Amino acid sequence: GAGVSQSPSNKVTEKGKDVELRCDPISGHTALYWYRQSLGQGLEFLIYFQGNSAPDKSGLPSDRFSAERTGGSVSTLTIQRTQQEDSAVYLCASSSPDRAYYGYTFGSGTRLTVV
Amino acid sequence: QKEVEQNSGPLSVPEGAIASLNCTYSDRGSQSFFWYRQYSGKSPELIMFIYSNGDKEDGRFTAQLNKASQYVSLLIRDSQPSDSATYLCAVKITNAGKSTFGDGTTLTVKP
Repeated sequence: GAGVSQSPSNKVTEKGKDVELRCDPISGHTALYWYRQSLGQGLEFLIYFQGNSAPDKSGLPSDRFSAERTGGSVSTLTIQRTQQEDSAVYLCASSSPDRAYYGYTFGSGTRLTVV
Repeated sequence: QKEVEQNSGPLSVPEGAIASLNCTYSDRGSQSFFWYRQYSGKSPELIMFIYSNGDKEDGRFTAQLNKASQYVSLLIRDSQPSDSATYLCAVKITNAGKSTFGDGTTLTVKP
C-alpha cells in the first residue's frame, strides 16, 4: 500500500483481556518495527523484524507481549492479560534500504486504553 | 544516563526566527541520525537524516552532526507557525537496526 496501515485505530479493553494489534507495512519494506508512546512521553522500542532474520525482541516489557510477522509482510502484536499500564499509543513503522538510510515511515497508530 | 537526550523544552521562538534543537547520544559507535516531527495527536514524520560529520541542508532545515562531541542538532530557519510540533531525535547503532529516540523537544512558533 501507499502507507503503513494499522488497525484498529482505537481499542478499549477490560483489564485482563487479550488484544491483537495489526500492522500492514509499505509493500517491499523489509524492516518492520513496533514502538509504544505513552502520553507526553518518547517512543519506547518493542520489537523489530528484518527480512527472514530472527526478530529483535529486546524491548518487549514482559512475556505478556508477543509479535509475529507472517510472510515478511503483515505483523500482529499481541498483549495478553492486559494491565492498565499497557495503555498507550502503539506505533508500527516500516523501512527499507532505499528509504533515507532506513528512516521510518510510521502508521497512524493504535490507541489502546485498558479500563 | 539516557541513550539519547534532547533539550527538555518547551522552546518558543517568534515567527521568522531560527529555531535550534539539540540532541546528544551516548553510544560513540552510532552510525545514523534522524529528526522526526510529530504534530499533536499524530504520528512522527521523518524530516531529516544525516550520517556524516558536518551540515546537511534541506530547504529551511539544516541538520548538523559532530561525532566527536556526540552531538546532533536541527536548525529551522525562517520558522513558521506550522513548524510548531514536537521534534524527536533518533539514533541508530547500525544502519539497518532499530532507532533509539529521545523524549522530544516541543517547539512553538509564535506569529
